Amino acid sequence: EAGVVQSPRYKIIEKKQPVAFWCNPISGHNTLYWYLQNLGQGPELLIRYENEEAVDDSQLPKDRFSAERLKGVDSTLKIQPAELGDSAVYLCASSFFGDTGELFFGEGSRLTVL
Amino acid sequence: SQQGEEDPQALSIQEGENATMNCSYKTSINNLQWYRQNSGRGLVHLILIRSNEREKHSGRLRVTLDTSKKSSSLLITASRAADTASYFCATEAGKSTFGDGTTLTVKP
Repeated sequence: EAGVVQSPRYKIIEKKQPVAFWCNPISGHNTLYWYLQNLGQGPELLIRYENEEAVDDSQLPKDRFSAERLKGVDSTLKIQPAELGDSAVYLCASSFFGDTGELFFGEGSRLTVL
Repeated sequence: SQQGEEDPQALSIQEGENATMNCSYKTSINNLQWYRQNSGRGLVHLILIRSNEREKHSGRLRVTLDTSKKSSSLLITASRAADTASYFCATEAGKSTFGDGTTLTVKP
């Protein structure tokens, strides 16, 4: 069975440019998460979806970040415009049991903003 | 807000030795989970312990939970070089409750 798939794995852009990350969760997982991970730190939740509904987006900087999960499967996280401080790894995870069960993570998308 | 806090921040041991890392948290939990992250990779779930459990084993892993002290420990026995990774605890893992992890280095 395929795991959580993320793309791209690496992205280098100049500041003020837009960038988008894509995530395909494990089949059947209705809960999808986007996390941000800075170097040497643990993951920080940006947004959590239950099916296509964003149920927790309190930590998402909505002035420049947006996310969508059309049809309750794949999800896209967008940053526009990117800032130097956005350089980090963006992790996608999915789960079957909501916020109390095991999370399955993708390999992450590493963003470098120059 | 991050609730899980791991200790120590870094741990270096020889292959074959045991590694113990600790996690403290602040509020009541339903369960606590431990994850491993190899450099440049995503997190991998290791073990989940429920609030009504005190100890759990999985292969070379042993996890304890003390809800009165709001703490948990992860013991890796007979460590191997392949255990070199960062280890994170998470309470209510679907929320922003990961700590900054313990970086374990196992020297061959």
